[in-house]
Parts: sequence; structure tokens; C-alpha cells
Amino acid sequence: GDSVTQMEGPVTLSEEAFLTINCTYTATGYPSLFWYVQYPGEGLQLLLKATKADDKGSNKGFEATYRKETTSFHLEKGSVQVSDSAVYFCALSDQTDKLIFGTGTRLQVFP
Amino acid sequence: DVKVTQSSRYLVKRTGEKVFLECVQDMDHENMFWYRQDPGLGLRLIYFSYDVKMKEKGDIPEGYSVSREKKERFSLILESASTNQTSMYLCASSPTGLKLFTQYFGPGTRLLVL
Repeated sequence: GDSVTQMEGPVTLSEEAFLTINCTYTATGYPSLFWYVQYPGEGLQLLLKATKADDKGSNKGFEATYRKETTSFHLEKGSVQVSDSAVYFCALSDQTDKLIFGTGTRLQVFP
Repeated sequence: DVKVTQSSRYLVKRTGEKVFLECVQDMDHENMFWYRQDPGLGLRLIYFSYDVKMKEKGDIPEGYSVSREKKERFSLILESASTNQTSMYLCASSPTGLKLFTQYFGPGTRLLVL
């Protein structure tokens, strides 16, 4: 079945460092891809999404490009802030309204 | 502003108790979902509903049931709580058509079963 694999955390960075969180997927069709973020004590919220190959999603300085050839959707940010500390989830949706999530990656940013 | 609310942030129950988790959305969404979140396992879908009185099993429905009598409300029921149901429970809602829309999540209920 469809699945999402993302790098294990925690990822620990200093403020202003470059961030990459890897995400790869397995899907039989043409899924949409998502990154969700969960700040401490809160539910998940959509960070960005891409619905077809070569689309780039972006929001709050974060970016991810839908790469069909490598079945990847890596999350990047050029300069992280302490306020970016959170858990990040990669997810996919096939042709239904259901999401399949990765296991989550905790990001810790220190001043 | 879109809003998904859950009845409790923290809940402590005893083994064998019947537990009700309530979720309400104010966005007139067709779809509603219940997930559980566990460290190292991510989010796993328990049940979802795509219309009033309609429900489908997710990946881990065993030990749970759901009820959707009104469009805005989706309840998760643990018929006889067990310690392995200690977890964070997240409710979400969405319009139909995930390519165009997104799922909106509530803040979660952290359930401890003793």
C-alpha cells in the first residue's frame, strides 16, 4: 500500500542554520504531497503542499518540491529560527480525502 | 477563522471504562477523521466519516467505534478502555477534495488509561 518515510529525529540546529528534512513516498497513483507542522501542545496545521510533479510548495520560508523521479518531497528552509522548533510530518493523499502520514521529525533550534 | 474543537485536552480513565471523545467543527465540512498519535508511529487513522451517519474504518479501528449524528460533530467511543489505548487523539475535518483543500486539526486529547 501507499506509505511515507521520513528521516528520524530529532534534528538539532543552531539559529540561522540551513534545514533539510527528507521525505520519500511510495504510491501507486499520482498522490498529492503535504507537510504539516505541530507546535508544542497544539494540533497539526498545514505548512505547504504540492499536487503534481515538479510543483513547489512554499510557506513561511519553507519549501518542498514534488520530485516524481526520486519519489521525494524534502522540506527545506534557508535560515531556521527558534520559533520553528516543532514536529514536522510529511503526508500523502491518493485519490481519496484520506492522508497517510510519516512518523514525524522533531526539529529543535537553539539560539 | 476555521475551528475544530475537542471536548477535553487531558483525560484520565480506568481500564474497562467507556470513554467518549467529542469533536466539533464549525466549517460545514463533509469529512471528519479520528487519528491517534504515538511516538515513532506518527498519525494513524482510526475512523473517518464522509457524511452524517456514514463511517468507514481506518487502519486501526479495533477497540473503537464512532458516531456522527450531526454534520458538525464526530464522536470517538472506546467501549472498554485498555491501557494500550493511552495515546494522543486528534480529530480533523475537511471539505471533499483534498487536492484543493486541507484537513484542519483540533488541539488533541491526551488520554491516559490506568
